[in-house]
Amino acid sequence: NAGVTQTPKFRILKIGQSMTLQCAQDMNHNYMYWYRQDPGMGLKLIYYSVGAGITDKGEVPNGYNVSRSTTEDFPLRLELAAPSQTSVYFCASSPYNEQFFGPGTRLTVL
Amino acid sequence: QQQVKQSPQSLIVQKGGISIINCAYENTAFDYFPWYQQFPGKGPALLIAIRPDVSEKKEGRFTISFNKSAKQFSLHIMDSQPGDSATYFCAADGATTGTASKLTFGTGTRLQVTL
Repeated sequence: NAGVTQTPKFRILKIGQSMTLQCAQDMNHNYMYWYRQDPGMGLKLIYYSVGAGITDKGEVPNGYNVSRSTTEDFPLRLELAAPSQTSVYFCASSPYNEQFFGPGTRLTVL
Repeated sequence: QQQVKQSPQSLIVQKGGISIINCAYENTAFDYFPWYQQFPGKGPALLIAIRPDVSEKKEGRFTISFNKSAKQFSLHIMDSQPGDSATYFCAADGATTGTASKLTFGTGTRLQVTL
């Protein structure tokens, strides 16, 4: 099993550009999550999903969108990138409590 | 607002020493308290977790102590090793049956174990 995979590993965006961060899991987990991690701030939940077709906002959803068309995939869309979105983004999946994290995507918006 | 407060922000311990990281929470609905370990450039990984029906859980050199009345829990790393140098996050979850598990994370403790 590959676990949770994320692409790309690194990306530099210009202000106003858009991009999609990809996340996939092969563990057949129902729950999937997107977090952002900023220095000294821990992990903040952006969006989560309890199954295909069902998503909900987390603590910091502004500026992001998600979709979940399959159990395996949970892409995160950034529209009109802003410098405040410079962060490391982690995707996670979970059968219930324990969450399994991907390796992260480091995004810089200049 | 649900919060989990973690301290210290950073910690330096000599090899063989005991590392102690503390967390405090406010929401009494929390019923699952995991600790995650994160190495540089990697995603967090579950280290150990506890539920409030027990006051202590031990797995190898790692122990969680839980004080329900004080709403505090802590991670103890015995015989700390250089390979334990990482960032540690406490977290809490209060999902009920049929609702999504959503972890609230502390701000992290960067542990450095010196020779």
